[in-house]
Amino acid sequence: AQSVTQPDIHITVSEGASLELRCNYSYGATPYLFWYVQSPGQGLQLLLKYFSGDTLVQGIKGFEAEFKRSQSSFNLRKPSVHWSDAAEYFCAIQGSTNAGKSTFGDGTTLTVKP
Amino acid sequence: GAGVSQSPRYKVAKRGQDVALRCDPISGHVSLFWYQQALGQGPEFLTYFQNEAQLDKSGLPSDRFFAERPEGSVSTLKIQRTQQEDSAVYLCASSFLGNTIYFGEGSWLTVV
Repeated sequence: AQSVTQPDIHITVSEGASLELRCNYSYGATPYLFWYVQSPGQGLQLLLKYFSGDTLVQGIKGFEAEFKRSQSSFNLRKPSVHWSDAAEYFCAIQGSTNAGKSTFGDGTTLTVKP
Repeated sequence: GAGVSQSPRYKVAKRGQDVALRCDPISGHVSLFWYQQALGQGPEFLTYFQNEAQLDKSGLPSDRFFAERPEGSVSTLKIQRTQQEDSAVYLCASSFLGNTIYFGEGSWLTVV
């Protein structure tokens, strides 16, 4: 069975500080990997995805993520956080043969202090 | 349309009532997915359509849940005899046969 763990339920950072959100997964092979952001009352917006190739992936809104096979991790980073980044962030995986059928972590809520 | 559209956005149902949630996917998208998101949790897969064919319904929690997509476009998720544990956000997503799926804003169901 596949699973996703986001160890941090809640993270608080100051505006302008750097951010790293952790994601670990369990899967028998290398899955497809995704990060989504969800603002209150909204659906999920795709930030970035990794299918293959370069393990450092750039996304929208200045986010990036790095796939580390040896650690089964796909951590999300941003060098300088803006107040508008406050939201909930979800990591998700898909098996390569299960197009669109994703397994999500339980999310990390990001609070940004002024 | 420009994005995945879901209706109603908010629904309050009395326990035992039947509800129907509608999803209008992005035009031309072949694949359609339903997910359930309980409060404080990540979305969980319910079911998947490719065109009008329901290829995977392994995530439907009970036989009270039923989904259809009769013409390969709009889909309806029906929940019969709602119970309090059905309270959640129901997210619809679509894609054009690929692995990147696009989510709607969800239908928030509260069962009282």
